[in-house]
Amino acid sequence: DTAVSQTPKYLVTQMGNDKSIKCEQNLGHDTMYWYKQDSKKFLKIMFSYNNKELIINETVPNRFSPKSPDKAHLNLHINSLELGDSAVYFCASSRPGQGHYGYTFGSGTRLTVV
Amino acid sequence: ELKVEQNPLFLSMQEGKNYTIYCNYSTTSDRLYWYRQDPGKSLESLFVLLSNGAVKQEGRLMASLDTKARLSTLHITAAVHDLSATYFCAVEVAGNYQLIWGAGTKLIIKP
Repeated sequence: DTAVSQTPKYLVTQMGNDKSIKCEQNLGHDTMYWYKQDSKKFLKIMFSYNNKELIINETVPNRFSPKSPDKAHLNLHINSLELGDSAVYFCASSRPGQGHYGYTFGSGTRLTVV
Repeated sequence: ELKVEQNPLFLSMQEGKNYTIYCNYSTTSDRLYWYRQDPGKSLESLFVLLSNGAVKQEGRLMASLDTKARLSTLHITAAVHDLSATYFCAVEVAGNYQLIWGAGTKLIIKP
């Protein structure tokens, strides 16, 4: 019973391609996130959705487009992939407000652009 | 802009020793988190610190929070090899549930 599941776990693709990463959570959380971890292990938020509504949209190239069909899913679509997009992408979820005790992370998607 | 600084960034120590990782942050925050990451793995929640003076302990790890000094510490007591990992602190931006991360401390504990 994985709480936050991401697919695929590994993704190797060529420059210029379009790819998607999927994320699903079964915790009943209202808010979902995408974080990027670069080669130096530095973590930075990309997007956050609360009940399907975009609430955080950091300075990210518009080639990255999140989509939340419902509050249990947050997918990340990337157009025209570049070498610099290579990183590990983590999905996370939380329940803001009362009862907010932290964030649950998925296992990560290692994206390699060649 | 909220900034989070961890130090040291790298720590190599012998089993049985004690050491402390420091996490400083630049503006007021409601919550501070400590996470552990093993190589190639996800982020595992260790502690959530919610108020000034909060102290939490789990096994050989103890975390504390001083909101006035904007400082959290993660203390390792009598380190064992299994604690080798990268440890991150993260501070929650008040009101919008965004985490700002420290750069991580890579901890290597030699048998």
